[in-house]
Amino acid sequence: AQKVTQAQTEISVVEKEDVTLDCVYETRDTTYYLFWYKQPPSGELVFLIRRNSFDEQNEISGRYSWNFQKSTSSFNFTITASQVVDSAVYFCALSAPGKSTFGDGTTLTVKP
Amino acid sequence: KAGVTQTPRYLIKTRGQQVTLSCSPISGHRSVSWYQQTPGQGLQFLFEYFSETQRNKGNFPGRFSGRQFSNSRSEMNVSTLELGDSALYLCASSLSRQPGTDTQYFGPGTRLTVL
Repeated sequence: AQKVTQAQTEISVVEKEDVTLDCVYETRDTTYYLFWYKQPPSGELVFLIRRNSFDEQNEISGRYSWNFQKSTSSFNFTITASQVVDSAVYFCALSAPGKSTFGDGTTLTVKP
Repeated sequence: KAGVTQTPRYLIKTRGQQVTLSCSPISGHRSVSWYQQTPGQGLQFLFEYFSETQRNKGNFPGRFSGRQFSNSRSEMNVSTLELGDSALYLCASSLSRQPGTDTQYFGPGTRLTVL
């Protein structure tokens, strides 16, 4: 069975602070994929990034960056200089052939 | 390209009724998955279809069913509604022939309230 743990249920920061959302996963598959999605109040899950198990390169996209470490089974997401528009629920997800698992989500509130 | 669309966006039903939700995937996507999202249970997988065939099913009672049409559009049906069925129902589509190997793109969801 596979599992995704997002230990932080809620995080509150003040605008311009950096914030890191943690994601730890468990899987026995050697080929798997990791994702982050953002769910704003409107409800739609917006795809942010996908990483496959063979690609441990970190990635930066604007104010967003992702740190994938197989050694610790973690795929953490950092928002630099947070903005009010970043307020949302963020989900980490793990998929392997035949199955997908989502974490419980982290609610991020960015205050002005 | 248009994204995943779901209709209706909001629905209010009473216990015992049945409901049908519709999902149109991104053009070219042949895989459609359905999820139920509730505050207490998070995102739970309902089922997945590819080329009109159900490939995977989550742990939900038989009151929850679905189907996929030849144009890849999908519907899910819930019969004999219960209060606990109140949730946001999300549809996602992907390109992949093999479940779990491609990015899923989600629609805006249908918010179902059962009174």
